[in-house]
Amino acid sequence: GEQVEQRPPHLSVREGDSAIIICTYTDSATAYFSWYKQEAGAGLQLLMSVLSNVDRKEEQGLTVLLNKKDKRLSLNLTAAHPGDSAVYFCAVLGSNYNVLYFGSGTKLTVEP
Amino acid sequence: ETAVFQTPNYHVTQVGNEVSFNCKQTLGHDTMYWYKQDSKKLLKIMFSYNNKQLIVNETVPRRFSPQSSDKAHLNLRIKSVEPEDSAVYLCASRHWGGSFEQYFGPGTRLTVL
Repeated sequence: GEQVEQRPPHLSVREGDSAIIICTYTDSATAYFSWYKQEAGAGLQLLMSVLSNVDRKEEQGLTVLLNKKDKRLSLNLTAAHPGDSAVYFCAVLGSNYNVLYFGSGTKLTVEP
Repeated sequence: ETAVFQTPNYHVTQVGNEVSFNCKQTLGHDTMYWYKQDSKKLLKIMFSYNNKQLIVNETVPRRFSPQSSDKAHLNLRIKSVEPEDSAVYLCASRHWGGSFEQYFGPGTRLTVL
């Protein structure tokens, strides 16, 4: 099945800085990619998703980049603030077009 | 309010007991999932149901059994829990044939003593 690697496992930035999280995946036929945010004790909040025909998507201070050649997906939080502190997960759709395969998570800490 | 709801929020039990978790979505979706999140935060699919029919059953011990009464509800029963079942169980849903986006509930945290 799909293998997803995510890095870094921990990321600490100062308020106003950018934070970049990267995932790599193995199945070149993957058609859908998403990013989730999980705050302490909570479920997963869908942040953004893209289909494989999209290279770049920006929304509300978040940028998702998809490099299909390198099978790499990234999330860039521009001008991070303390409320962005959480665990972030990438998730890619398996070849059955049904199940999501998740990265191992990145714990982001934004210091004031 | 339209969302994915899970009960209970948490449950503490002893080895060998039976537990049941409930999930309900009011998003009008027809496909629902159970994911397990372990103590290292790793997320893995357990089951997927479409219109009350099981379509995905990953390698999960037989003591786990999902139950769906209709497309808005997907429950999870665990017979004779084991210590390694301690985890957060997350329910999700989506509309089959529409967007691939999956929406998650808040999770049920199970602790097995």
